[in-house]
Amino acid sequence: SAVISQKPSRDICQRGTSLTIQCQVDSQVTMMFWYRQQPGQSLTLIATANQGSEATYESGFVIDKFPISRPNLTFSTLTVSNMSPEDSSIYLCSVVPGLARHEQYFGPGTRLTVT
Amino acid sequence: SQELEQSPQSLIVQEGKNLTINCTSSKTLYGLYWYKQKYGEGLIFLMMLQKGGEEKSHEKITAKLDEKKQQSSLHITASQPSHAGIYLCGAILGHSGYALNFGKGTSLLVTP
Repeated sequence: SAVISQKPSRDICQRGTSLTIQCQVDSQVTMMFWYRQQPGQSLTLIATANQGSEATYESGFVIDKFPISRPNLTFSTLTVSNMSPEDSSIYLCSVVPGLARHEQYFGPGTRLTVT
Repeated sequence: SQELEQSPQSLIVQEGKNLTINCTSSKTLYGLYWYKQKYGEGLIFLMMLQKGGEEKSHEKITAKLDEKKQQSSLHITASQPSHAGIYLCGAILGHSGYALNFGKGTSLLVTP
């Protein structure tokens, strides 16, 4: 399995500001994803983080609001821009280590509260 | 509409009892994942099923995939307080890619 860390683990931010969340994996992985879990809800995919190119966003999510970087095979960032209280959620990154094995592992999550 | 339906939504069982959680898809399944989430924390990978009829076990937890019914069941034998948490099923619903669609989860409480 892959060991995944996220920073910060939690934060409280004011509306209108931006927060960048980091996801670090202990080994090179093929695929990385970012999900959002709103209070009391299940997980929703935000985007696929592509190494060396622009992320692929799901319907309802746009790059201006959630810019994503993936400079290499072990690291990715998600920025939540111009935050509003509706952005209060847990943000999780996940990885698929390799295409031969399809297990998908999740990071511990970043709990964001926007006031 | 929800593509993955989990049942029941919540479950309270007495320690030592068996229980089953179901996950039904409205679309063809290309992979079915089971996770456990402690409240407010990340997801712990339990197991992944890909082939119809496949069955896997992890300690006292067993999951099966019924491809024809587009359904998976998670069975816990002799439940313990450590089994408490939210159980989530996730599935690959497209024939390419690895992104997961999730059910709403089943909240499990095990009482002494």
